[in-house]
Order: sequence, then structure tokens, then C-alpha cells
Amino acid sequence: GQSLEQPSEVTAVEGAIVQINCTYQTSGFYGLSWYQQHDGGAPTFLSYNGLDGLEETGRFSSFLSRSDSYGYLLLQELQMKDSASYFCAVEEDQAGTALIFGKGTTLSVSS
Amino acid sequence: EAGVAQSPRYKIIEKRQSVAFWCNPISGHATLYWYQQILGQGPKLLIQFQNNGVVDDSQLPKDRFSAERLKGVDSTLKIQPAKLEDSAVYLCASSRPDQETQYFGPGTRLLVL
Repeated sequence: GQSLEQPSEVTAVEGAIVQINCTYQTSGFYGLSWYQQHDGGAPTFLSYNGLDGLEETGRFSSFLSRSDSYGYLLLQELQMKDSASYFCAVEEDQAGTALIFGKGTTLSVSS
Repeated sequence: EAGVAQSPRYKIIEKRQSVAFWCNPISGHATLYWYQQILGQGPKLLIQFQNNGVVDDSQLPKDRFSAERLKGVDSTLKIQPAKLEDSAVYLCASSRPDQETQYFGPGTRLLVL
């Protein structure tokens, strides 16, 4: 079967660093994406890893290890506005194919 | 550029009634997806279109759900008849072919009573 495992909740304070892990088990693997979703909002794209290694985009970084079927999203210099749900999602086949999402991690940032 | 548009934003119906959702993707995006997101879970694909052809509808409950994308632009998702378990947010997303980034609309929140 297909499964993506990520922690259900993470809490942190402003200015801290948080890492959200994702392990996946899917029929195929092409790439791992991360999406952010605020309450009542649309999922928005954060980062993508097609190859092993680290991708950095401002305060957010994402890492992938294909051999370990593992990735993580690193959020630095946390701000209150980062409080949201974060989803890892696998593209099984090729770019442009549908995403298989994890259940999401709710991040709460306090002052 | 304008984002993905969806309507209505909210809908309340009784079980066994029918409902339809509309999506207008980003201009030039040939690929369109419909996802169902149940509270507390990640989005789950219902159907994927490439232009006006179906790429993947393996998870669409075809006894009650149908979708079309006439002329390869706008799309409509219909549920007939609705069940209580259909209560969810229905998200439409679009992307360029061979692009890993999907752009989501605001979704339609459906409540079936």
C-alpha cells in the first residue's frame, strides 16, 4: 500500500527552528513536495526535492534521502504566521502526475 | 496572474441530494486535478485531467461522482446522490504539464446533513 508518515503536531516558539519529518512507502517515487495550508485556506507549494540532498528557499529548507525513503522540512526563524498545517506529498510517476499526501503536521508557533 | 477559481465556496445539502462544483484553472495550465480533503487529513486525488482527457480517475467513486472538463479549460465535479461521508473540502488544482508545482484553489466546503 501507499503511506506517508509525518508527526501530527509540533509546537515551537518564535525564532526557533523546527524540523518536520516524512517517511514514505509508495509504489513508485519521482519527487517529494511540501505544502503549507493555513486554516480554511488552500495548500500552497513550499519546496520540492527530486534528487537527494538539501534545497533551500529563504527560511525554509527541504531534504531528501531516496535510499531511506525519508525527507524533512526545516523551518528557521519561526514566525507566528508559520502556524499552519504542513503536508509532505509524493509524486509517484513523473512531474505533473497527481500527488499522494500525508495526513499533515500541525505547527503551532507561540510568542 | 489570476489563481485557480472555485465556486461555490460553501454548500450545505441533505443526503441523497445532488451538488456540483466548478473550477477555473490558471490560464495555460493543461493539467487539472480534483482532490477531496476530509477534516484532519491530507488531500486525496479524485480525478486528473490533461486538457479535456482523463489521466487518472482510479479513486473516483464512479457510482456517485462524475467530472468533466469540456474544451480543456473549466471543469465541473458532481456528486449524485450525496452521502454523509462526502462532507469534505473539494480542492481544484492546476499545473503546467511536466511541472511538479500544483496551484490550488480555495476549495468548496461541502456539508451533507
